[in-house]
Amino acid sequence: NAGVTQTPKFQVLKTGQSMTLQCAQDMNHEYMSWYRQDPGMGLRLIHYSVGAGITDQGEVPNGYNVSRSTTEDFPLRLLSAAPSQTSVYFCASSHRDGYEQYFGPGTRLTVT
Amino acid sequence: AQRVTQPEKLLSVFKGAPVELKCNYSYSGSPELFWYVQYSRQRLQLLLRHISRESIKGFTADLNKGETSFHLKKPFAQEEDSAMYYCALRDSGGSNYKLTFGKGTLLTVNP
Repeated sequence: NAGVTQTPKFQVLKTGQSMTLQCAQDMNHEYMSWYRQDPGMGLRLIHYSVGAGITDQGEVPNGYNVSRSTTEDFPLRLLSAAPSQTSVYFCASSHRDGYEQYFGPGTRLTVT
Repeated sequence: AQRVTQPEKLLSVFKGAPVELKCNYSYSGSPELFWYVQYSRQRLQLLLRHISRESIKGFTADLNKGETSFHLKKPFAQEEDSAMYYCALRDSGGSNYKLTFGKGTLLTVNP
């Protein structure tokens, strides 16, 4: 199993540009989530999904959109990038019991 | 609202010394507590969870509901323990899969 995969690993955007961060898992996990990691702030939940077709907002959802059309994929969209969105983004997945979340390798995003 | 506090951003110890990473939480319901670890250039991964009461890589953590704490301890630190450690909490109600993380403690074990 590849586990949780994320693409790209690195990305530089200009203010106002849009892009999609990809996340996929091959463990048939129901639950998927997106976090951002900033120095001194820990991990903060952006959006999460408890199954295909179901998404909800986390702690810091503004500026981000998500969709969950399949169990495997959970893309994160930045519609109009801002410098405040410069961060490392992690995708995670888990079974319904949620006892262990499996994390992807992260995407380092810089917005200039 | 649930909150996790890790009071130390940085913790530095010498090899062989005991180490304790502090975690306090506030939550009105019945929480489940976890420790996640991120080694350099590796993914964030689960270290241990309070419900299993296990020792992983020599680390233990006991949930103290009276003091609302879940401190991570190891009697003899090793250089390979150097990493970022995150304490996390979730509702044990079963329908809430969301984890709330603390801000993390960077542990450095010096030779």
